[in-house]
Amino acid sequence: KNQVEQSPQSLIILEGKNCTLQCNYTVSPFSNLRWYKQDTGRGPVSLTIMTFSENTKSNGRYTATLDADTKQSSLHITASQLSDSASYICVVSGLNTNAGKSTFGDGTTLTVKP
Amino acid sequence: EPEVTQTPSHQVTQMGQEVILRCVPISNHLYFYWYRQILGQKVEFLVSFYNNEISEKSEIFDDQFSVERPDGSNFTLKIRSTKLEDSAMYFCASSELGREGAYNEQFFGPGTRLTVL
Repeated sequence: KNQVEQSPQSLIILEGKNCTLQCNYTVSPFSNLRWYKQDTGRGPVSLTIMTFSENTKSNGRYTATLDADTKQSSLHITASQLSDSASYICVVSGLNTNAGKSTFGDGTTLTVKP
Repeated sequence: EPEVTQTPSHQVTQMGQEVILRCVPISNHLYFYWYRQILGQKVEFLVSFYNNEISEKSEIFDDQFSVERPDGSNFTLKIRSTKLEDSAMYFCASSELGREGAYNEQFFGPGTRLTVL
């Protein structure tokens, strides 16, 4: 069964600090992995997309890494800001499935405090 | 910047009633999706739609659900006889590419909060 597991479940950091969120998956065959940011009560917003041939992708202060061999990904946030407080969701799509029927992780809730 | 829009933002209905949730995908996108998120839980896939037909659906998407693209811009989700457990945020998404595209970046709408009483 395809699964996506994220850790930690929640994280509290001080403004300006860095943090790293983890995502492990069992989806196979693998197509792509996406990280989304979801503010409370809002729709998810795409941060990065990576295919199996990419091992790092940056979007501003967000850097995602992917190890397709170990089926692990991380999202690194540098110089955190209060506005980074949100849920970060890892989503993995398989090759033999419609793009929409992806497997979502439970998300990591990040709280950035002043 | 183009975006996916959804209406209404909040819908309150009585159990057993029919509701229609509306979405306007990004204009040049070809693939459309509905997801739901029960409060405090993960986002769950419901259905994907391409070329005026359902391309894939989840176990959640049973006979009480239907989708339609009634015109060139709207994409709707109908729930025929709502149940208490249908209370959730419903997100519409669209993408330019789908199965054939590795970069099937999906753009999500702001969601409709459905409350079934």
